[in-house]
Amino acid sequence: GAGVSQSPSNKVTEKGKDVELRCDPISGHTALYWYRQRLGQGLEFLIYFQGNSAPDKSGLPSDRFSAERTGESVSTLTIQRTQQEDSAVYLCASSPGTGTQETQYFGPGTRLLVL
Amino acid sequence: KQEVTQIPAALSVPEGENLVLNCSFTDSAIYNLQWFRQDPGKGLTSLLLIQSSQREQTSGRLNASLDKSSGRSTLYIAASQPGDSATYLCAHRRSNYKLTFGKGTLLTVNP
Repeated sequence: GAGVSQSPSNKVTEKGKDVELRCDPISGHTALYWYRQRLGQGLEFLIYFQGNSAPDKSGLPSDRFSAERTGESVSTLTIQRTQQEDSAVYLCASSPGTGTQETQYFGPGTRLLVL
Repeated sequence: KQEVTQIPAALSVPEGENLVLNCSFTDSAIYNLQWFRQDPGKGLTSLLLIQSSQREQTSGRLNASLDKSSGRSTLYIAASQPGDSATYLCAHRRSNYKLTFGKGTLLTVNP
């Protein structure tokens, strides 16, 4: 079946502009995650959605970052007033739940470059 | 703060060689330990997941071990092939849903 998809695959923007990144999880997956991968760094957790529960936003680096999810489907990560340090690959993942044996399925990522 | 360290950062081997990738973690409270593969322009693919109650998992030419007491995991790749070239990431999961990733090992298998 279809995997996790993300759009756009690449985004170049100017400093100070807002950007919106989209994630389509695997159908039926209740859990959705956003990560950031900066050059030479490991993946950093940003935010987690589980069903209709309040999201865990503890990984968001600043109030310029926000994310929404409509039910158990599409999620959007928004970065306002982008800065050059926001340049990174933004990865989305989904999982059926959060059981101990459940893995996360990752999308191909959106590569963001802030000039 | 949980830290996950992977060594070496990069590894280049000739085709057919057996190799070991290392991962160490500081948090002994572990739910599971996962190994992922990341190819350029693609997302991560889960290779092996070891539960905290397990010592190892095997899939084909891959074998991953977990030693909670020493905070270490290894990924063993037998008879390496050029198609194994990728970045390998280990990820530590605590009792919640968050994964803490290492920076990865960039593996190149030369024909």
